[in-house]
Amino acid sequence: DTGVSQDPRHKITKRGQNVTFRCDPISEHNRLYWYRQTLGQGPEFLTYFQNEAQLEKSRLLSDRFSAERPKGSFSTLEIQRTEQGDSAMYLCASRSREGNSPLHFGNGTRLTVT
Amino acid sequence: EDQVTQSPEALRLQEGESSSLNCSYTVSGLRGLFWYRQDPGKGPEFLFTLYSAGEEKEKERLKATLTKKESFLHITAPKPEDSATYLCAVFTGTASKLTFGTGTRLQVTL
Repeated sequence: DTGVSQDPRHKITKRGQNVTFRCDPISEHNRLYWYRQTLGQGPEFLTYFQNEAQLEKSRLLSDRFSAERPKGSFSTLEIQRTEQGDSAMYLCASRSREGNSPLHFGNGTRLTVT
Repeated sequence: EDQVTQSPEALRLQEGESSSLNCSYTVSGLRGLFWYRQDPGKGPEFLFTLYSAGEEKEKERLKATLTKKESFLHITAPKPEDSATYLCAVFTGTASKLTFGTGTRLQVTL
């Protein structure tokens, strides 16, 4: 169990640019989540995949955000035309198919939009 | 909508000074309550899952308890390395995601 891996750890971009983040879940986990966390707040749910199917999206996820999980393995989160309000920590988590198993988080990608 | 409220927002303890963190929840159909620890710049680290009222879980200096309306994380004789933000989250029957509280920032000093 090598844990959930996220890349990059930090990203600084200018307003209006597009960014893409990658998440590699724990290998045997079929469920993958994206969360966003700002300073002093708890993580906020963005979207959820079961295998390659995106089953739920938050109302927080505007049209500028898109997530994919091709072949049910790694996932990418893309933000188009970034805004300063997108600055946050983007966390990926995975969980196994067993009942109410916990989410296991990666160490996140910190995005700063200047 | 599921709601999770944690208190206090911040807590400063001296080493060895025991205390409790509170997590109250309003949900429909609780399927599990989770406690996580988060260090600065890192993702949340799983601590405990509680499934039903009356359940208790322990790990080192931490003990989590659950009632029908709230959960407590008791910290006994804390050490400086227990300093972190502690997050509570709920998993309910109407959703396939965890809903988090805003956390309690714990600082333990010598």
